[in-house]
Amino acid sequence: GESVGLHLPTLSVQEGDNSIINCAYSNSASDYFIWYKQESGKGPQFIIDIRSNMDKRQGQRVTVLLNKTVKHLSLQIAATQPGDSAVYFCAENPFGGGADGLTFGKGTHLIIQP
Amino acid sequence: NAGVTQTPKFQVLKTGQSMTLQCAQDMNHEYMSWYRQDPGMGLRLIHYSVGAGITDQGEVPNGYNVSRSTTEDFPLRLLSAAPSQTSVYFCASSYLQGSRDEKLFFGSGTQLSVL
Repeated sequence: GESVGLHLPTLSVQEGDNSIINCAYSNSASDYFIWYKQESGKGPQFIIDIRSNMDKRQGQRVTVLLNKTVKHLSLQIAATQPGDSAVYFCAENPFGGGADGLTFGKGTHLIIQP
Repeated sequence: NAGVTQTPKFQVLKTGQSMTLQCAQDMNHEYMSWYRQDPGMGLRLIHYSVGAGITDQGEVPNGYNVSRSTTEDFPLRLLSAAPSQTSVYFCASSYLQGSRDEKLFFGSGTQLSVL
C-alpha cells in the first residue's frame, strides 16, 4: 500500500495568502523526507528536505514541519504567488536512508487564485 | 552544469517495438534511477543503480531493462513496448546516503505513447 499520502488532492488559495500542504506517512523508521514541486510539463523540482532529528526547517518562503508522533509532514508556503501553482509531492525514505529509496505520495495540486 | 539530461522528450511507439530512453548526469552522482509517472499514481520507481556496474529493481520493473556501464549514463530499455507502458518517464540522480548532498535531481521527462 501507499506509505506516503496526502490529505487533499487539490488546494486552492488566494494570491498572497499562506498555504499549507499536508502529508501523512506510515513508516516510523523513515528518516528522511523531501518536498518536490512539479510544474506542468516539467520534472519534479526539489524544494526542501528534513531529517527525522529535526521538527522544522525553513527555506525561502517555505517551511517544512515534521511531527513524528503522528507521522505527519507539512509544507507551508508563505505569501503565495502565481508561480507557486503546481503539484507538490512529499517523499519519504522508509529504509532509513537518504535520496536513494524514496517513496512518493500521489501529490497535491496547489492552485493560486488571483 | 546541465544536471540530468533525458532524451528524447517525446516518443510514439507501436506495440512490440523496442527503444532506449537515454539519461545522463554530469554531477558525479553515484545513485541514478528511473521513475514512471501516471495520472493518479504518483512517481513509481522502475529501476535504480548505486554505482557503475550495479543495478536493481524498483517497484515496477517488468518490461524494462537497465544497465550502468559508466557513472554518467543510465539508459532504460523497453524490449517490446506495450500500451501499458504509455507514461511519462523521469530519470533522477543523487549522491548516496551519508554524502554531503542527498537531494534527488530529476530530468525533464520523456513522454512515451505506445499505440
